[in-house]
Amino acid sequence: AQTVTQSQPEMSVQEAETVTLSCTYDTSESDYYLFWYKQPPSRQMILVIRQEAYKQQNATENRFSVNFQKAAKSFSLKISDSQLGDAAMYFCAWGLMDSNYQLIWGAGTKLIIKP
Amino acid sequence: SAVISQKPSRDICQRGTSLTIQCQVDSQVTMMFWYRQQPGQSLTLIATANQGSEATYESGFVIDKFPISRPNLTFSTLTVSNMSPEDSSIYLCSVPRGYRECEQFFGPGTRLTVL
Repeated sequence: AQTVTQSQPEMSVQEAETVTLSCTYDTSESDYYLFWYKQPPSRQMILVIRQEAYKQQNATENRFSVNFQKAAKSFSLKISDSQLGDAAMYFCAWGLMDSNYQLIWGAGTKLIIKP
Repeated sequence: SAVISQKPSRDICQRGTSLTIQCQVDSQVTMMFWYRQQPGQSLTLIATANQGSEATYESGFVIDKFPISRPNLTFSTLTVSNMSPEDSSIYLCSVPRGYRECEQFFGPGTRLTVL
């Protein structure tokens, strides 16, 4: 069975600095996606970034980038130039490629931005 | 991306009553997911609702407690029956990004408080 682990319940960072959120996972599948979702206090779950497992290149979306280490089953999220609006819960999730199978979710990391 | 709305956005209910949550999508989708997010926790899948068939419930969730309707390809309801304070949670619906896609779009959630 697939599992996703986020070992940091809470992280804090000074505004404008860089922070990295950790995620590890376990799967025997070879073709899958990994996602980072953001959930601000408004409750809306928003996709931050996604990574296809077959791609060696790490995904980037503006200030957000990932460090995907397939062999180590690690998928960390780096947020550069942190902004107050980045404050939220961040969830790492695993999904099976080419399917509508359910996502497997991590426990979440609460990110606090210090002004 | 799909636009998903949920009603109500929040409610406060008395123990022993039932609440029906509506989820409306702006496009036709075969599959819809219903999640529960208990305070400070990650997402837990309640059931998968396919149009034209019975919902598929995850372990720990039963139809008598969480009946689901899926009358068409753009709409679904989740009822939380005979509520207790332990049912106080955020309830989220989501849909896959596309055919055989595991990435999901989420509704804004319904915050339920049971007194």
